[in-house]
Amino acid sequence: DAGVTQSPTHLIKTRGQQVTLRCSPKSGHDTVSWYQQALGQGPQFIFQYYEEEERQRGNFPDRFSGHQFPNYSSELNVNALLLGDSALYLCASSFENRDLYEQYFGPGTRLTVT
Amino acid sequence: GENVEQHPSTLSVQEGDSAVIKCTYSDSASNYFPWYKQELGKGPQLIIDIRSNVGEKKDQRIAVTLNKTAKHFSLHITETQPEDSAVYFCAVFSGTYKYIFGTGTRLKVLA
Repeated sequence: DAGVTQSPTHLIKTRGQQVTLRCSPKSGHDTVSWYQQALGQGPQFIFQYYEEEERQRGNFPDRFSGHQFPNYSSELNVNALLLGDSALYLCASSFENRDLYEQYFGPGTRLTVT
Repeated sequence: GENVEQHPSTLSVQEGDSAVIKCTYSDSASNYFPWYKQELGKGPQLIIDIRSNVGEKKDQRIAVTLNKTAKHFSLHITETQPEDSAVYFCAVFSGTYKYIFGTGTRLKVLA
């Protein structure tokens, strides 16, 4: 049973550029959430996708956008990169069920903005 | 908004001793409380969770207790081993499709 996978593992970008990160959810999961984890801090919720739509968003600017595909995989896009966007970006998947809340995380993508 | 405080930020224990990490939350509507373990270079791994209708849950050496009245929950690790060394995060889910994480506790188990 494949867990949550993310690509790429590491990425180096220059300030002002754009980046796309990818996530494939755990088998059987239909909901994908994205988090930003700065060094030494807990994950910060960016947004969640369900049924190909963003249904909840954290306190992140519009430079952060996403997409969910019919196969439930997801992309996170960040435009006009800032130095402060350097972080570990985590994808988590879950199954939409009012009684099930478990979220499972992928290994993350380490983004460095120079 | 929802706030989650986690203490301590670092914890060192001797191998075989117990470790306790505590989290306090603010939203009384919160109904799901997971704990995650994150090792260096990896994503957080769900190790145990508890729902609001339960006061305690145990899984081998790991247990979680919940006090809804006081709005706090704790992770208990007994008979600690060197492989328990990692950063532990608590999280709170309040039914609005997002999880709020604590700031993390770096646990060091000294052999």
